[in-house]
Amino acid sequence: GAVVSQHPSWVICKSGTSVKIECRSLDFQATTMFWYRQFPKQSLMLMATSNEGSKATYEQGVEKDKFLINHASLTLSTLTVTSAHPEDSSFYICSAEGLAGGEGDEQFFGPGTRLTVL
Amino acid sequence: GQNIDQPTEMTATEGAIVQINCTYQTSGFNGLFWYQQHAGEAPTFLSYNVLDGLEEKGRFSSFLSRSKGYSYLLLKELQMKDSASYLCAVRYPILIWGAGTKLIIKP
Repeated sequence: GAVVSQHPSWVICKSGTSVKIECRSLDFQATTMFWYRQFPKQSLMLMATSNEGSKATYEQGVEKDKFLINHASLTLSTLTVTSAHPEDSSFYICSAEGLAGGEGDEQFFGPGTRLTVL
Repeated sequence: GQNIDQPTEMTATEGAIVQINCTYQTSGFNGLFWYQQHAGEAPTFLSYNVLDGLEEKGRFSSFLSRSKGYSYLLLKELQMKDSASYLCAVRYPILIWGAGTKLIIKP
């Protein structure tokens, strides 16, 4: 099956620093990648949708200047949390759609990145 | 607006059968997905329905009625490892997610 990786799997940083999270589709070309955030005991919240070579589309309420998304190639998207604060602590998950032979263009999820901001 | 409803939590016994319902109201419909998510992990794909009827995959089955805006996930022969959250998602064409149903399996 299609594999999506994320790096790092967890990160602890100081308030005010920036953190970059990478999402890679390992064995297929991802035409579209999605970034989600999930707080404890809550459902997935879509943050943004990115297509290779174009600007990301952010969901309402998500600050594009704080959460920078770059989809530089068909296999890599990055999310940078700038000037992170404790309220940004969350589980960040990426997913990818593409020519992976999935059903109904299912999304293939990365394992997630747990961010803790001190 | 777009809306997906699922029960918040359900409890079932090991070896039994449980049905998790999902109702949706969306301006369009291009398919319905069920995902399983264990605590602290990313979701994994379970099933996809785009036409009315029942799709069976081993112990798991998913049913769809487009006219009623209704789906259910049926889990048979429950095992302790089935304890997880089950997420219903509808593509209309973007994908929107239900809040998930936490399934607790008791011995």
